[in-house]
Amino acid sequence: GAGVSQSPRYKVAKRGQDVALRCDPISGHVSLFWYQQALGQGPEFLTYFQNEAQLDKSGLPSDRFFAERPEGSVSTLKIQRTQQEDSAVYLCASSLFGLDLSGTGELFFGEGSRLTVL
Amino acid sequence: AQRVTQPEKLLSVFKGAPVELKCNYSYSGSPELFWYVQYSRQRLQLLLRHISRESIKGFTADLNKGETSFHLKKPFAQEEDSAMYYCALLPGNTGFQKLVFGTGTRLLVSP
Repeated sequence: GAGVSQSPRYKVAKRGQDVALRCDPISGHVSLFWYQQALGQGPEFLTYFQNEAQLDKSGLPSDRFFAERPEGSVSTLKIQRTQQEDSAVYLCASSLFGLDLSGTGELFFGEGSRLTVL
Repeated sequence: AQRVTQPEKLLSVFKGAPVELKCNYSYSGSPELFWYVQYSRQRLQLLLRHISRESIKGFTADLNKGETSFHLKKPFAQEEDSAMYYCALLPGNTGFQKLVFGTGTRLLVSP
């Protein structure tokens, strides 16, 4: 595809339900990131993959959050037993080789999945 | 801990006026800094990065290490500049991949 694709674009869940959010990165991009953006806030880092390896999951807010990228391409962010505070836009981004300080490296974002927990 | 502060939630200017979107950061090392932009109904995208020293769409940003600031400037605002702007910091540790974003400033350029 032409860019990072996320699905579903909108998800309404009842408190306590499990949800799964999918991200299709740009083909060939090694690095994949998940961010959470609450209303009126900037994106906050959740986790980072390099190919299939999850190298940083320090931003996941609780053990209810789980992300995987088993074949190094498509990624899924799973939230178990959703709570109202999980309501946010979940952004996926990919990068060819990741971010670095030499000036190369750029994040390409998807349109996001808006999760509303009632 | 790293932090990025954008003190203005909304900045409203008239077309042709100068624009300065403020960004201050807190980080003890040497970060790399970025500005990301989100136009209406579009996805978040990179506008410019400090290390490239480039001007994109007439915007420039200068890193002031003494004031720990990376303000975004444009001498003459255009209506199409109306968007949400996010300042972001990448800590200077090799291999560190966590971009830290500010809360954003909405720029509204009126005719």
